[in-house]
Amino acid sequence: GAGVSQSPRYKVAKRGQDVALRCDPISGHVSLFWYQQALGQGPEFLTYFQNEAQLDKSGLPSDRFFAERPEGSVSTLKIQRTQQEDSAVYLCASSSRPGTAYEQYFGPGTRLTVT
Amino acid sequence: TQLLEQSPQFLSIQEGENLTVYCNSSSVFSSLQWYRQEPGEGPVLLVTVVTGGEVKKLKRLTFQFGDARKDSSLHITAAQPGDTGLYLCAGVTSGTYKYIFGTGTRLKVLA
Repeated sequence: GAGVSQSPRYKVAKRGQDVALRCDPISGHVSLFWYQQALGQGPEFLTYFQNEAQLDKSGLPSDRFFAERPEGSVSTLKIQRTQQEDSAVYLCASSSRPGTAYEQYFGPGTRLTVT
Repeated sequence: TQLLEQSPQFLSIQEGENLTVYCNSSSVFSSLQWYRQEPGEGPVLLVTVVTGGEVKKLKRLTFQFGDARKDSSLHITAAQPGDTGLYLCAGVTSGTYKYIFGTGTRLKVLA
């Protein structure tokens, strides 16, 4: 596709449920990033993939958060046993350059609401 | 902790007015990006600046990177309602892949 796509766009989960958020990066982009954005604030880094390798997961808030990119393209962010504080917009971004944050292109995000 | 402070935090102006948004840090950045984000959408890349003192223009938007590569500004001339949105700067330090996002400036342009 022409840009980064994410699905679902909106997700409502009951506290304790598991959720899976999908990201389709721009074709050929080796770098993929996940961010969490609270209302009215800038995105905060969660994790980084270079191809299929997860090189940095230092931003993941807890061990309930897990991300994968098994074939170096599509990525999934999984949140287990969701809590109300997990409610946020989850953004995916991709870049053609490895090992650098230079010029990331963002998807539309998935708005997660935990009730 | 690296911080990027943006000012002002909120700005509401009339159509046709000019404005400047500032992005400041004590850290040196190898590049700095500006994004605009509209409600319900992801940030859209506006520009990348990499050289100290660099000035880039995008129609009515002028971006400047500070000489010391610690700060940047975005100037909008003759603002239009379509400029409404959240403006974010994002800095990159040398040898890293993490964006340091600014605190954001929410702009509203009234018709």
